[in-house]
Amino acid sequence: NAGVTQTPKFRVLKTGQSMTLLCAQDMNHEYMYWYRQDPGMGLRLIHYSVGEGTTAKGEVPDGYNVSRLKKQNFLLGLESAAPSQTSVYFCASSYSRKSSYEQYFGPGTRLTVT
Amino acid sequence: AQKITQTQPGMFVQEKEAVTLDCTYDTSDPSYGLFWYKQPSSGEMIFLIYQGSYDQQNATEGRYSLNFQKARKSANLVISASQLGDSAMYFCAVGSPMEYGNKLVFGAGTILRVKS
Repeated sequence: NAGVTQTPKFRVLKTGQSMTLLCAQDMNHEYMYWYRQDPGMGLRLIHYSVGEGTTAKGEVPDGYNVSRLKKQNFLLGLESAAPSQTSVYFCASSYSRKSSYEQYFGPGTRLTVT
Repeated sequence: AQKITQTQPGMFVQEKEAVTLDCTYDTSDPSYGLFWYKQPSSGEMIFLIYQGSYDQQNATEGRYSLNFQKARKSANLVISASQLGDSAMYFCAVGSPMEYGNKLVFGAGTILRVKS
């Protein structure tokens, strides 16, 4: 039982390049989330998904796209990376019970855009 | 919109002493949950403790306890008998329902340093 895993752990991109971050969970969770963490700030929600084939915008969605083609995977894409997207990205997943708010986090991906 | 305030950017505590990390929140949701996460220098988010908004008793998990004062919208974390391994960033978060799914809103965090 690996929990939530993220690939890759580190990445350096040049401005304008694209990449996809992969999140996988083996807990059969319905809900999945992508966050970013910047220095001096808590985590902020980028996009989330409440089920296979569904996605929604969070607090800071601009510059990102997501897809949830399989229940266990949630992909975060950067089409044209910008230095402002330098951050640590966390994926999380949770059960779908309305009163259960706990989210299980992956180890994070450190992305640098030069 | 929800807002989580952690007023202490950094704290020092002597090893084996207790420390309180402050958290106040603002939410209009009638039902919510309060969380504390620990983030060591290695970067992962470690769940510490949870308190439901309707729970009457304060939550405890080993050396961690959550001092929940609902009327004051306060959810302070108390760490007893601090250890060197407690040095980390600590985040307070509020979980609540969205139209679809649930959300967690985080405070900016408090860096705790334990001195030997």
